[in-house]
Amino acid sequence: EVQLLESGGGFVQPGGSLRLSCTASGFTFSSYAMAWVRQAPGKGLEWVSAISRSGGDTNYADSVTGRFSISRDISGNTLYLQMNSLRAEDTAVYHCAKGYSNDWYFFDSWGQGTLVTVSS
Amino acid sequence: MVMTQSPAILAVSPGERASLSCRASQSVSSNLAWYQQNPGQAPRLLIHGASIRATGIPPRFSGSGSGTEFTLTISSLQSEDFAVYYCQQYNKWPLTFGGGTKVEIK
Repeated sequence: EVQLLESGGGFVQPGGSLRLSCTASGFTFSSYAMAWVRQAPGKGLEWVSAISRSGGDTNYADSVTGRFSISRDISGNTLYLQMNSLRAEDTAVYHCAKGYSNDWYFFDSWGQGTLVTVSS
Repeated sequence: MVMTQSPAILAVSPGERASLSCRASQSVSSNLAWYQQNPGQAPRLLIHGASIRATGIPPRFSGSGSGTEFTLTISSLQSEDFAVYYCQQYNKWPLTFGGGTKVEIK
């Protein structure tokens, strides 16, 4: 059974930084693209970033480009999201999601998410 | 690329049919997925490739369309189907989701 467990969320002031982690199990982590998708309170889904199975290709939403960085540790089966220069509008539940394959960026498994709150 | 879902809220009686619409601002070919999300839960993949049911999804869920116009149909609503549904295009970067359709009990 695929399991994705996010951690690292919390309360941070505007301009601060956080690093989210997603520990994966139940599948061959190195074979699939991965992504982060966020959901602001009471709002819809917003794709944030994605990474290829090797980690060599990354993509970002315009809203986070230059501030967020996605990476993965193949040996540790862990996905990361480094978030810098955080803004109030980054407040959301951040879900880790498994790509259907390395080539197709839709998501067949999701974690429950970790809440990030940016406020002064 | 903008994905527009309609209606925002759809009130349907149990056992009735529901049709949800998703429109893309430019062609996404058949590179479209549908997800279901219940309150407090993670999204669940229902459909990919516009019309291919994901593993374990019951046949009452069906998807159709290509290019810019897509439809998710639930043939006979069960109690567990009252939820929010999102479409997502994966044809080009950046990936984009629609704003969602909430299916509620009439």
